[in-house]
Amino acid sequence: AQTVTQSQPEMSVQEAETVTLSCTYDTSESDYYLFWYKQPPSRQMILVIRQEAYKQQNATENRFSVNFQKAAKSFSLKISDSQLGDAAMYFCALGEYGNKLVFGAGTILRVKS
Amino acid sequence: ETGVTQSPTHLIKTRGQQVTLRCSSQSGHNTVSWYQQALGQGPQFIFQYYREEENGRGNFPPRFSGLQFPNYSSELNVNALELDDSALYLCASSLDLGAGTEAFFGQGTRLTVV
Repeated sequence: AQTVTQSQPEMSVQEAETVTLSCTYDTSESDYYLFWYKQPPSRQMILVIRQEAYKQQNATENRFSVNFQKAAKSFSLKISDSQLGDAAMYFCALGEYGNKLVFGAGTILRVKS
Repeated sequence: ETGVTQSPTHLIKTRGQQVTLRCSSQSGHNTVSWYQQALGQGPQFIFQYYREEENGRGNFPPRFSGLQFPNYSSELNVNALELDDSALYLCASSLDLGAGTEAFFGQGTRLTVV
């Protein structure tokens, strides 16, 4: 069975600083994707970044980047130059064929001004 | 291009009642997935519909059922509501079944069972 674990219930970061959110996962599949979704108080999940398991190069989207360690089954999200608008719940998710997502429990990110 | 819309946004039901939640998928998307998100937890996969057929189900009892219509909109029905069914129900549509295909989420329906 696929599992996703986020061990940090809550994280805080100062505005303009960098923060890293952790995620580990388990799957027996060789072809899968990993995602980070952001859920602000408005409740709508927004895709932040995705990583294909076959790609060794870490994905980057502007201020967001990942550290994908396939052998360790680790997938962390780094947010650089944190902004007040980054405050939200962040979910790590595993997706395989069929696009049925398995989510972690989430990490609340607070940004201090 | 319209996004994923869900209705209603909030709902209060009594234990034992039945409820229907609705989801309009994003234009051109043929796949709809439903998730249950209990307070303070991550979303849990309920089931998925692809081109009007159920395409996978999570660990939810049969009183959770669904439909997908020819226009790819979808319904989630829950019979014999229990207090533990209180949660945010999220609908997500995607272009196809590919593992890396982005799922676009609606704002959810907050269901409270009293």
